[in-house]
Amino acid sequence: AAGVIQSPRHLIKEKRETATLKCYPIPRHDTVYWYQQGPGQDPQFLISFYEKMQSDKGSIPDRFSAQQFSDYHSELNMSSLELGDSALYFCASRPAGTLNNEQFFGPGTRLTVL
Amino acid sequence: EDQVTQSPEALRLQEGESSSLNCSYTVSGLRGLFWYRQDPGKGPEFLFTLYSAGEEKEKERLKATLTKKESFLHITAPKPEDSATYLCAVAIYNTDKLIFGTGTRLQVFP
Repeated sequence: AAGVIQSPRHLIKEKRETATLKCYPIPRHDTVYWYQQGPGQDPQFLISFYEKMQSDKGSIPDRFSAQQFSDYHSELNMSSLELGDSALYFCASRPAGTLNNEQFFGPGTRLTVL
Repeated sequence: EDQVTQSPEALRLQEGESSSLNCSYTVSGLRGLFWYRQDPGKGPEFLFTLYSAGEEKEKERLKATLTKKESFLHITAPKPEDSATYLCAVAIYNTDKLIFGTGTRLQVFP
């Protein structure tokens, strides 16, 4: 079965650089979510999109922005990177036409900021 | 404040030794409770959704139950391949996000 695709899987950046993470949801999923998971921590919600519109916002820094495109893929743009941004970034997607909020997660992008 | 608490933080079991993981929640309006399995460095893998008190779901050696204040994930006769972190998450009304607990790290020894 198709799963959520995230790229790149690993990313190493220097402080103050920018990074772009990409997410391709499961086919026929129209809602995309972004989560950040620090070492030994639980995933923290950043932002979500439904039908290309932002649907909810969590603890996302102002340095980060995201969008969803017409093919439903999403990109998380991160600027002025800080050491504390080092984490696993997960994208999740939800099937179209459902209200139960079941979210299916991708394998994650491991971002390391040096 | 909406909160999810999991216990124990870590659990070591002998192969075949059944046990239960707990997830207690305090939320304004429960829309659903979810269990995920997460292996190190990988994304959470969806296991179960529970919607109302009294509901039960089963999958292989796992069984999830829900009450008005907590959920249990029962593991029957676990095998070493069941070793992982098990995350509980809740969805509440008027928001899209999942609120996660900090997880239970399960290790099953042969």
